[in-house]
Amino acid sequence: ELKVEQNPLFLSMQEGKNYTIYCNYSTTSDRLYWYRQDPGKSLESLFVLLSNGAVKQEGRLMASLDTKARLSTLHITAAVHDLSATYFCAVLSQGGSEKLVFGKGTKLTVNP
Amino acid sequence: NAGVTQTPKFQVLKTGQSMTLQCAQDMNHNSMYWYRQDPGMGLRLIYYSASEGTTDKGEVPNGYNVSRLNKREFSLRLESAAPSQTSVYFCAIRTGGAGANVLTFGAGSRLTVL
Repeated sequence: ELKVEQNPLFLSMQEGKNYTIYCNYSTTSDRLYWYRQDPGKSLESLFVLLSNGAVKQEGRLMASLDTKARLSTLHITAAVHDLSATYFCAVLSQGGSEKLVFGKGTKLTVNP
Repeated sequence: NAGVTQTPKFQVLKTGQSMTLQCAQDMNHNSMYWYRQDPGMGLRLIYYSASEGTTDKGEVPNGYNVSRLNKREFSLRLESAAPSQTSVYFCAIRTGGAGANVLTFGAGSRLTVL
């Protein structure tokens, strides 16, 4: 059974600082997703990572995937308040089931 | 949340009452999903449907039924609501090009069971 673990679950950081959120998963998969959720809102797709070594960047966020280590990272560069949100990683279960399994999320607070 | 419409947005039920959450898409995609979101638990898959007329259980299907009578609509039914079903429910559709399988979510339905 696929398990997805994120850490940390809570992250408080100052504006201008860098930090990394980690996403580990337990079984082989070749598709990993990062989503953002603002309080009271739905989920917004940030990145789709489809292969080992994939790296995607959008503004101050950069995501990478290491399928051999079953690890993805979401790196935040020079954080700003607008990045405050909850970030989820999700992994596609193999075997054709089409199940997307989510981590518990990382609640990021960026303080001025 | 263009393309995925959930109703109702808010609902309060008493224990034992029944209700149906509706989800409709306007993008002609095959795969549709129902997730529930609880504090500290992330999103957990209740049921999904790979195509019209087919449904499969997810991680937490107990206490729910689903119906996919046509390609456009996927409904989630609570036959006898329990306080443990208090949650935010999200419907999603699978979009994106071949190989991407991005899930696009609806706005959510907040359900409280007293």
